[in-house]
Amino acid sequence: KQEVTQIPAALSVPEGENLVLNCSFTDSAIYNLQWFRQDPGKGLTSLLLIQSSQREQTSGRLNASLDKSSGRSTLYIAASQPGDSATYLCAVIIQGAQKLVFGQGTRLTINP
Amino acid sequence: ETGVTQTPRHLVMGMTNKKSLKCEQHLGHNAMYWYKQSAKKPLELMFVYNFKEQTENNSVPSRFSPECPNSSHLFLHLHTLQPEDSALYLCASSPGGRVDYGYTFGSGTRLTVV
Repeated sequence: KQEVTQIPAALSVPEGENLVLNCSFTDSAIYNLQWFRQDPGKGLTSLLLIQSSQREQTSGRLNASLDKSSGRSTLYIAASQPGDSATYLCAVIIQGAQKLVFGQGTRLTINP
Repeated sequence: ETGVTQTPRHLVMGMTNKKSLKCEQHLGHNAMYWYKQSAKKPLELMFVYNFKEQTENNSVPSRFSPECPNSSHLFLHLHTLQPEDSALYLCASSPGGRVDYGYTFGSGTRLTVV
């Protein structure tokens, strides 16, 4: 059974810092990995999608990497801003199944 | 607003009520999903529909009854719910059979059962 773990569960940093969020999964047989952002009480906004054959994806100040063999992904946020405060969720689509398996998320707070 | 629209945004219902959640997607996708997000738990898949046909029921109690009349609309009919069913219910869609394109989520319905 695929399990997804995100560390840390919560992170608070001052504005302007670069930071890394971690995601690990137990079964490397995945189609792709998707990072989402969730604001309090709201739905999920897709940030980056990494195919299983790719190593990384970039969008603006965000960079996500994928190491399938070790079962790890990282989300790098450069020059953090207070508007980046949210919960960040990592999810994988496992091979042979049409569903996302989510981690519990990292709650990020950027302090002005 | 994303390409996936959910209504209502908030719903309070008694345990004997019957209500429905609605989801509509404008992305031309052929697969739609219901997810449940409870406090301090990862998102849980409830149902999967492909081309209007239910292809997965993740052991969901029968008090939750999904309906997919076409590829653009998905409903979740609720009856005789319990307080522990209070949660954020999220709808998602994806290009059917093309898992490499990722998922698009709606804003969710916050359900409170009293």
